[in-house]
Amino acid sequence: GAVVSQHPSRVICKSGTSVKIECRSLDFQATTMFWYRQFPKQSLMLMATSNEGSKATYEQGVEKDKFLINHASLTLSTLTVTSAHPEDSSFYICSAKLDSGDYGYTFGSGTRLTVV
Amino acid sequence: QQQVKQSPQSLIVQKGGIPIINCAYENTAFDYFPWYQQFPGKGPALLIAIRPDVSEKKEGRFTISFNKSAKQFSLHIMDSQPGDSATYFCAASSGAGSYQLTFGKGTKLSVIP
Repeated sequence: GAVVSQHPSRVICKSGTSVKIECRSLDFQATTMFWYRQFPKQSLMLMATSNEGSKATYEQGVEKDKFLINHASLTLSTLTVTSAHPEDSSFYICSAKLDSGDYGYTFGSGTRLTVV
Repeated sequence: QQQVKQSPQSLIVQKGGIPIINCAYENTAFDYFPWYQQFPGKGPALLIAIRPDVSEKKEGRFTISFNKSAKQFSLHIMDSQPGDSATYFCAASSGAGSYQLTFGKGTKLSVIP
């Protein structure tokens, strides 16, 4: 089946530094990927839609200069949290839309970011 | 405006029981309705999904019932097991738009032995 690999699974960084999270589709091509943020005991909140070869579309209220998204190939999208602050600590999850067949979505295993 | 309303927020059933989780949507353009299971610290995993041209779909112990006229769909888990204890999310998307998934707020299910 379609697998999305997300790395790292956990990261701790110092306030003011940047962190990059990778999301790879392992056995399929994904023109469109999504990035979500999830707070404890809450639902997934869509941050942005990432399309291969074009600029990401950010949801209202999401700072595009803080959360940099790059989707340079059909199998890789990255989210970079720039100048991280403790309030950026959260669970970040990527998802890829299957391009062929019955369109569906597969999710990465998530990244727990802690900013200290 | 929440486009997918999910209930209940939490649910406790005994082993072997049949928990039912309900979702209602507003956007008639939605044409894909998946259910996801999420364990703590993990990403959501697709359980089962349905499209509006069928009223019911079964996969193993999981069944989706879909009522297009009422704009409602539900998840039934047959013969529930303690290992089914997780948070369940319904979602919906439209193939005519940006394909974004709109999630319900989730239901925390606890299956007690």
